[in-house]
Amino acid sequence: QLQLQESGPGLVKPSETLSLKCTVSGDSIRSRSYYWGWIRQAPGKGLEWIGTIYYSGTTYYNPSLQSRVTISVDTSRNQFSLTLNSVTAADTAVFYCARQMGTDLGAVISPPNWFDTWGQGTLVTVSS
Amino acid sequence: DIQMTQSPSSLSASVGDRVTITCRASQGISIYLAWYQQKPGKVPKLLIYGASTLQSGVPSRFSGSGSGTDFTLTISSLQPEDVATYYCQKYNNAPFTFGPGTKVEIK
Repeated sequence: QLQLQESGPGLVKPSETLSLKCTVSGDSIRSRSYYWGWIRQAPGKGLEWIGTIYYSGTTYYNPSLQSRVTISVDTSRNQFSLTLNSVTAADTAVFYCARQMGTDLGAVISPPNWFDTWGQGTLVTVSS
Repeated sequence: DIQMTQSPSSLSASVGDRVTITCRASQGISIYLAWYQQKPGKVPKLLIYGASTLQSGVPSRFSGSGSGTDFTLTISSLQPEDVATYYCQKYNNAPFTFGPGTKVEIK
């Protein structure tokens, strides 16, 4: 059974860097048909896609965050990570990691599709 | 970038009512649309992908339709456990934008 678990500091100071990891269990992060994504939800607000990575390292980023975001993958640990630079109070949110489906087109995999499995989420507060 | 809107932003209906939520894309996205349910304090759950394909384990009272720019999520007979916020998400290409959500309550 696939499980995703976010981990990282719950409190980050303004202007510093937010770093989170997502540990995948029950499946290999190198599975051909899947991508791995980050989504956040500010308190009382909706869902915001942050970015997505394939095990090969191919990434997709939200243009609104692209200048501050890096997503990386560690296949040896079955983990992928998120860093968000220069945080402000507006970055306070629950951060979710999730598996994002791809479609096997034979020779290639499709771009990312829907999110089928989510982690429990972790609240990160930006405050001094 | 393509913008996603949802209507209404909230609704209140009685148990057993038929409920319809609309999601609109600012440009055509074929059927590259998913729907999620997020119960209060819980993790979002995939309901529908490909605009109309029900995810395994999701009750059959949920259904989706549409293509291009206009999509609907229908709950054929609202149940108390359906109280949640519902989000659409486009995935024709990045950015994989979510709609703003529709909050469903019981009258």
